Amino acid sequence: QQQVKQSPQSLIVQKGGIPIINCAYENTAFDYFPWYQQFPGKGPALLIAIRPDVSEKKEGRFTISFNKSAKQFSLHIMDSQPGDSATYFCAASGGEYGNKLVFGAGTILRVKS
Amino acid sequence: KAGVTQTPRYLIKTRGQQVTLSCSPISGHRSVSWYQQTPGQGLQFLFEYFSETQRNKGNFPGRFSGRQFSNSRSEMNVSTLELGDSALYLCASSIRAGDTEAFFGQGTRLTVV
Repeated sequence: QQQVKQSPQSLIVQKGGIPIINCAYENTAFDYFPWYQQFPGKGPALLIAIRPDVSEKKEGRFTISFNKSAKQFSLHIMDSQPGDSATYFCAASGGEYGNKLVFGAGTILRVKS
Repeated sequence: KAGVTQTPRYLIKTRGQQVTLSCSPISGHRSVSWYQQTPGQGLQFLFEYFSETQRNKGNFPGRFSGRQFSNSRSEMNVSTLELGDSALYLCASSIRAGDTEAFFGQGTRLTVV
């Protein structure tokens, strides 16, 4: 059973656009939801993370929106740039998983200049 | 501040052989987790070590093992390699056990032929 479902699989936007990546989770015990960015040949880099006690968190051009009742969270990238082209992963941890991260399948983002 | 260091970066092994991968966490971080990344299965948790003790284990066969040394450096070992073990193996470090904020290294690309 896939604990964290991520969509879309891939996404193309124009420079300056606002790509939105969505994730849904099953386990209500999850209490930590990070987003990672991965470039080819590199390891995932922690971008931003949120806990269920807030509905939105913003860091620079990256914003997480969190809907606890719907068990969904999403990443918005404001004023996207070609350098943002990468694979983005959502993840969740908590409950019986402890701090083990359960990842979504990833979204390949391409920002066209 | 140096990041997570994984060695070697690339490895080619033959089926049936065994392999050892190394991970040095961020200075001051004492928890190390290992993940396997493949195109088909995505990012999957292998195990977590803290204070030289395995705290958590993913759903992988016993051929996958690890250990942690007193300086927090960690190694993982895969015995009797199979073609399906070809993957990017990622190490993540956290300040302490149970800490959800994890920072990844660049990974070791293992190819089994």
